[in-house]
Amino acid sequence: NAGVMQNPRHLVRRRGQEARLRCSPMKGHSHVYWYRQLPEEGLKFMVYLQKENIIDESGMPKERFSAEFPKEGPSILRIQQVVRGDSAAYFCASSPSGQGGNTGELFFGEGSRLTVL
Amino acid sequence: GENVEQHPSTLSVQEGDSAVIKCTYSDSASNYFPWYKQELGKRPQLIIDIRSNVGEKKDQRIAVTLNKTAKHFSLHITETQPEDSAVYFCAATPYGNNRLAFGKGNQVVVIP
Repeated sequence: NAGVMQNPRHLVRRRGQEARLRCSPMKGHSHVYWYRQLPEEGLKFMVYLQKENIIDESGMPKERFSAEFPKEGPSILRIQQVVRGDSAAYFCASSPSGQGGNTGELFFGEGSRLTVL
Repeated sequence: GENVEQHPSTLSVQEGDSAVIKCTYSDSASNYFPWYKQELGKRPQLIIDIRSNVGEKKDQRIAVTLNKTAKHFSLHITETQPEDSAVYFCAATPYGNNRLAFGKGNQVVVIP
C-alpha cells in the first residue's frame, strides 16, 4: 500500500509564475489536507477536502491560492502569481475518514518544496 | 482558533538520558493531542497520541501526559538513542475537528 504521494518534490518558480502541487492520498483514503511549513515554523493548516468538495478552507490565503480534489485524479494545490513569501514546504496528508473517525491519524506525504526566485 | 506552543525549541540530551518536551494549548474544547516526529527532509509521522479521557499513555520508550486543567501536555522519551534525533511537533484539536493546530516544533539532538 503506497503512502501519500506528492509531486513534484522540488519546484522552482520565478515571481509571477504559477505553481501546481499534486497529492495522491493513500489507497482507501478519501480525505485530504494541505499544510504549509515555513522554515523554522510548524505546520500551518490550509485546507481540508473530500472528493469534489472543499470542507474547510479557513487556512487558505484569500487570494492566489486554490485547491481541488476531483472525482478522478490527485488533489491539486494551485498558487497563482507566486511571490517570494510563498517559498515553503507544502505537505499533503490523508485519512480514511475525518479526524472524528477511527484513529484521528493523518498520514503525511514527503512534501513539495517550493522555491520562488 | 487553537494556539499551540512548544518549549524548549531545541533540546540536547546524552544518549541514554530522558528527553521531555512540553506543549501548551489555548482552546479548552481541544480533546485530541497527537505528537509527530519529523526527521530532516522527511515526512511528519505520528508517534503517539492521547485523548482527553486519559491522563497518560505509554508506548515502549515513549509516553505522553496530559493535564487538561492546566492545558498542557508533554512528550517523554526515555533511554534516548541517536535515531531519536528529529523535530517533534505537538498538535491539538477538538476531536471530530479536522484541523490540527501544530506547535512550532522541538529539535531534539541525542549526543552519542
